[in-house]
Amino acid sequence: KAGVTQTPRYLIKTRGQQVTLSCSPISGHRSVSWYQQTPGQGLQFLFEYFSETQRNKGNFPGRFSGRQFSNSRSEMNVSTLELGDSALYLCASSSGGTGAHRETQYFGPGTRLLVL
Amino acid sequence: GQQVMQIPQYQHVQEGEDFTTYCNSSTTLSNIQWYKQRPGGHPVFLIQLVKSGEVKKQKRLTFQFGEAKKNSSLHITATQTTDVGTYFCAGRTNAGKSTFGDGTTLTVKP
Repeated sequence: KAGVTQTPRYLIKTRGQQVTLSCSPISGHRSVSWYQQTPGQGLQFLFEYFSETQRNKGNFPGRFSGRQFSNSRSEMNVSTLELGDSALYLCASSSGGTGAHRETQYFGPGTRLLVL
Repeated sequence: GQQVMQIPQYQHVQEGEDFTTYCNSSTTLSNIQWYKQRPGGHPVFLIQLVKSGEVKKQKRLTFQFGEAKKNSSLHITATQTTDVGTYFCAGRTNAGKSTFGDGTTLTVKP
């Protein structure tokens, strides 16, 4: 099986612009989660999508949004970029189990975003 | 909200020494997962613990889940240079929300 793919791998934007990142999960996986990783803040949960519905949401401002398509591919969008949005954005896919037997999350290589 | 504290933040060891990282959650967890991220890489799943008091081993790695399902530890026996990286725990509540610890970065001196 192919792994989780993320595009683009690197991105440079300026303040005030918006950006859309894409994630293709492992075939058959229905859950996609997004994380922001920065040296100072570690891995911060953004949101999780399952079957095109947002199932969980982290504590990020409304500038951060996402969606999931019927083929489970997911996009996240950040509007009005700020310098502090520079980070590695990781998506992780899983089959989507809930409860105690949470399925393994498989991470993609990430998109490294630099906001100037 | 749920918080997951992980200590230490950094650990430098001589090759052959043991290493332990600890995770503590502010709330009872449904399960806890451990991940390893090599420098420049992305987190890779290591293991999931579900049951109270559970202990699992993977070669030189031993994972424990506390009786109260609020803390966990990862212990590496006789570290090797291939063990370098950042180890994260991720606690998941019954509500389905996953919170990662800040990670412990391990460096191993040959």
